[in-house]
Amino acid sequence: GDSVTQMEGPVTLSEEAFLTINCTYTATGYPSLFWYVQYPGEGLQLLLKATKADDKGSNKGFEATYRKETTSFHLEKGSVQVSDSAVYFCALLKGGYNKLIFGAGTRLAVHP
Amino acid sequence: DAGVIQSPRHEVTEMGQEVTLRCKPISGHDYLFWYRQTMMRGLELLIYFNNNVPIDDSGMPEDRFSAKMPNASFSTLKIQPSEPRDSAVYFCASSLVAGGNSPLHFGNGTRLTVT
Repeated sequence: GDSVTQMEGPVTLSEEAFLTINCTYTATGYPSLFWYVQYPGEGLQLLLKATKADDKGSNKGFEATYRKETTSFHLEKGSVQVSDSAVYFCALLKGGYNKLIFGAGTRLAVHP
Repeated sequence: DAGVIQSPRHEVTEMGQEVTLRCKPISGHDYLFWYRQTMMRGLELLIYFNNNVPIDDSGMPEDRFSAKMPNASFSTLKIQPSEPRDSAVYFCASSLVAGGNSPLHFGNGTRLTVT
């Protein structure tokens, strides 16, 4: 079945470090891919998305490129801030369906 | 826009009691989703509605769980009787349209503890 696999956390970084959170997926067809972020005590918020191969989603300095050949959608940011500390979820949505399939989430902790 | 509103934020109850979680979606959103989040299982979709009609309840764990959406601005998730393994954070989310064209908007969740 369709699934999303994320790198295990926690990821601990110093402020201004480079961030990569790996995400790979298994799905038939051409799903849309998403990154959601969950801050402490809150629900998830959409961070960015890409709907077809080679698309790059970007928002708030975060980027992810839809790589069909490697079935990946890795999240990157050039310089993280303490305020980026949160749990990040990769997700996929198959065309014609309404159910997002989430990865397990990766906790990011950024220290000053 | 107030966003998706869930109540209560926290619920502590004893095993065997009935629990009702409430959700008010964003006005105009046609889709409403109930998710459960636990450390062990991550985020699980329980059920979703389109225009107040349940479309897919395959994620509802067992008959103790039921969900209703009597109108476009209100939904409930009920657990009767509750068990300790139901302890989790329950999220409600809504979206304007189906598919990837409109993001899910999540509420802040209800943290349920069953003792």
